[in-house]
Amino acid sequence: EAQVTQNPRYLITVTGKKLTVTCSQNMNHEYMSWYRQDPGLGLRQIYYSMNVEVTDKGDVPEGYKVSRKEKRNFPLILESPSPNQTSLYFCASSRQGYSPLHFGNGTRLTVT
Amino acid sequence: RKEVEQDPGPFNVPEGATVAFNCTYSNSASQSFFWYRQDCRKEPKLLMSVYSSGNEDGRFTAQLNRASQYISLLIRDSKLSDSATYLCVVNTGANDMRFGAGTRLTVKP
Repeated sequence: EAQVTQNPRYLITVTGKKLTVTCSQNMNHEYMSWYRQDPGLGLRQIYYSMNVEVTDKGDVPEGYKVSRKEKRNFPLILESPSPNQTSLYFCASSRQGYSPLHFGNGTRLTVT
Repeated sequence: RKEVEQDPGPFNVPEGATVAFNCTYSNSASQSFFWYRQDCRKEPKLLMSVYSSGNEDGRFTAQLNRASQYISLLIRDSKLSDSATYLCVVNTGANDMRFGAGTRLTVKP
């Protein structure tokens, strides 16, 4: 089954404790991206990757890191999480940057 | 002004009603347009792409008006299962996918 898999689904952590949210797609998509969704603000892009070893900042990159060492994986790293990063996070992929996105099932992160 | 604007709703309609959502976008260079559906606390899922000539998929019709810079989604004969948030998405380039904040629809018996 074609899908984007995120883990974990739920995560509660404390300020400053490094964490990684994994994202993997099995559709051989070139493009991958991370979004956060907050009430009233819609989906905002954090980072994106047009291909392996190519990553770039989206609209709200501060406090996040990503890597794209393999085509299928695009982990999101929070080196020192803060409470304002409490949000619902989605990973997405598409064939190319202007194609429709396929989303993972989300990670609900709470930072206390 | 937001790049993509939608009426947040909520829209509360009875089963069988016809409901229309509009979405406006600010960038005239926008190239592709989509409607996504998002159920509570779940991931957005592509409902349909929107083409210049308009397109229909069963009870759903999407239209694009480039001159006025808006897209619309019409749902006929609403079902309870149509209750969700509908996201308007506009793409202005290889990596410039802009999301509206979503319009919430509740269909009631």
